[in-house]
Amino acid sequence: AQKVTQAQTEISVVEKEDVTLDCVYETRDTTYYLFWYKQPPSGELVFLIRRNSFDEQNEISGRYSWNFQKSTSSFNFTITASQVVDSAVYFCALRPAPYNQGGKLIFGQGTELSVKP
Amino acid sequence: DTGVSQDPRHKITKRGQNVTFRCDPISEHNRLYWYRQTLGQGPEFLTYFQNEAQLEKSRLLSDRFSAERPKGSFSTLEIQRTEQGDSAMYLCASSFVGGTYEQYFGPGTRLTVT
Repeated sequence: AQKVTQAQTEISVVEKEDVTLDCVYETRDTTYYLFWYKQPPSGELVFLIRRNSFDEQNEISGRYSWNFQKSTSSFNFTITASQVVDSAVYFCALRPAPYNQGGKLIFGQGTELSVKP
Repeated sequence: DTGVSQDPRHKITKRGQNVTFRCDPISEHNRLYWYRQTLGQGPEFLTYFQNEAQLEKSRLLSDRFSAERPKGSFSTLEIQRTEQGDSAMYLCASSFVGGTYEQYFGPGTRLTVT
């Protein structure tokens, strides 16, 4: 079965705190892709990052960083020095084996992050 | 480069009516996806097209739902005989085969069935 679990439904932090959003996935495929999307109150999903199953190198982009660990099937997302503009719902998604299943994304339930000033 | 656009942004309809939504993908993208998102949930896959061919449909897509992508450009999603359970945000996304697999989403159409 293909599944993405985001156990944290809501997180509230104060501005400038660091925050980590957890994502655990299940798949039997050896090749797959993982994604993070941001959904601000306006509703449009914004692509943040893609990670291949064969590339476990962590990535940093400004205040954002991602930790991919195949051994624990996790792809966690950390925001350093959070800002009010980071307030949104964040989704982790799995794309199984790119050469079949058409590339549909399987999303987790999302984590709503609230950053208070 | 314009993004994915969807029309209308909001639709209120009475139970039993038919509704149609439109999605215009990013111009060079040959794959187009439809998802449905209910309150507090992540998007769920409905169907996708590669060019004009509809290649996969989810079991969520009942017989009352139909999607088309004539000429491989814009797509329409029609719901016949709407039910209150159809109330949701309908999201369209597009991607480029042979690219890096990320899908770019439109702003969605929020459907309310009264």
